[in-house]
Amino acid sequence: GQQVMQIPQYQHVQEGEDFTTYCNSSTTLSNIQWYKQRPGGHPVFLIQLVKSGEVKKQKRLTFQFGEAKKNSSLHITATQTTDVGTYFCRPGGSYIPTFGRGTSLIVHP
Amino acid sequence: DSGVTQTPKHLITATGQRVTLRCSPRSGDLSVYWYQQSLDQGLQFLIQYYNGEERAKGNILERFSAQQFPDLHSELNLSSLELGDSALYFCASSSEGSTDTQYFGPGTRLTVL
Repeated sequence: GQQVMQIPQYQHVQEGEDFTTYCNSSTTLSNIQWYKQRPGGHPVFLIQLVKSGEVKKQKRLTFQFGEAKKNSSLHITATQTTDVGTYFCRPGGSYIPTFGRGTSLIVHP
Repeated sequence: DSGVTQTPKHLITATGQRVTLRCSPRSGDLSVYWYQQSLDQGLQFLIQYYNGEERAKGNILERFSAQQFPDLHSELNLSSLELGDSALYFCASSSEGSTDTQYFGPGTRLTVL
């Protein structure tokens, strides 16, 4: 399957600070999906990006797909304790589904 | 609620034993995927079934096997269990192909003692 590098592995922030996680591939991706897994929960689909340079927003979350379709980012503005969890990217274009290692976000109140 | 159900929620067993995990996909979904998630590990893809047929295989051990039944529910069989098999096992479903959005079940936490 498509391999991606997701960084950072962990991120500690103070509540109210911004947070960004990156998903990088060495090959061009047909699309990319983002999932969130709360502690003790299961992964939940957030969004899918398909077009080069695409930017989508969901309230305080901004998702971007790079122009070359090799990288993607998820940015959270003014984090809240409800944002705690692990964010996974999932590259499309392969019949073997793979997920990035995930970025665990820890928000300190 | 994703619409995907998994049973049991928790399973505690001993080394060398055999267990079966069950998954019912969302109504209308034909594809079922199995993943293993160990502590601090990502989601390791094990196997995918589509409409009863094996479609893709990941890092699934020979001691593990799966099947999808005519009613589309799936079972993951884990045998000769080892301590290292302790993990969360997730089932996910999608409407068709592996590029579709996946909907995850709540998982089965397996503890091997």
